[in-house]
Amino acid sequence: ETGVTQSPTHLIKTRGQQVTLRCSSQSGHNTVSWYQQALGQGPQFIFQYYREEENGRGNFPPRFSGLQFPNYSSELNVNALELDDSALYLCASSLGQGNSFGSGTRLTVV
Amino acid sequence: EDKVVQSPLSLVVHEGDTVTLNCSYEVTNFRSLLWYKQEKKAPTFLFMLTSSGIEKKSGRLSSILDKKELFSILNITATQTGDSAIYLCAVEQGAQKLVFGQGTRLTINP
Repeated sequence: ETGVTQSPTHLIKTRGQQVTLRCSSQSGHNTVSWYQQALGQGPQFIFQYYREEENGRGNFPPRFSGLQFPNYSSELNVNALELDDSALYLCASSLGQGNSFGSGTRLTVV
Repeated sequence: EDKVVQSPLSLVVHEGDTVTLNCSYEVTNFRSLLWYKQEKKAPTFLFMLTSSGIEKKSGRLSSILDKKELFSILNITATQTGDSAIYLCAVEQGAQKLVFGQGTRLTINP
């Protein structure tokens, strides 16, 4: 158990819809990062939040957005879903050094 | 462009064999190199390497980093079926952003 909880575990959406994925960080961890892992690939960095501010972004379009709340929990929002957005979305929290990963949300876009 | 390359992508061995997994990288702002094991969803932490030539060891697993040649290896001796998983190599850049390789899918047959 890493102490990082993600919800939901699985989700099926239709192309063009919007989705919100949630992450509850390990207690005290003030930094949260989101990754997209397509089938057969390594995780790709989407963005990171530190103390409620975006603190770095990977090569993802603006329809991928996020929020971090005062309790350091976080949301990933994806608008105008595309088939290629189907992937495992991982949340990782950290405090200083080292990341603890959640079990991920498996998103399927049909 | 930052990249992490793992080899082989897939490996099938018999229980009891020794395996070596490779990871090479070209990443700016190198902070550390990490190895993770991913069985179902959440990557679980194995090693963090920051200094060249110092072997890290945990039971049957060991790893070493060469910062001059920009690579790392992960060794697993006396493999067991429970070692079957995807092994991910990641380089940590500043501010805890991870750049992952594609992963090596390791299958241990009884």
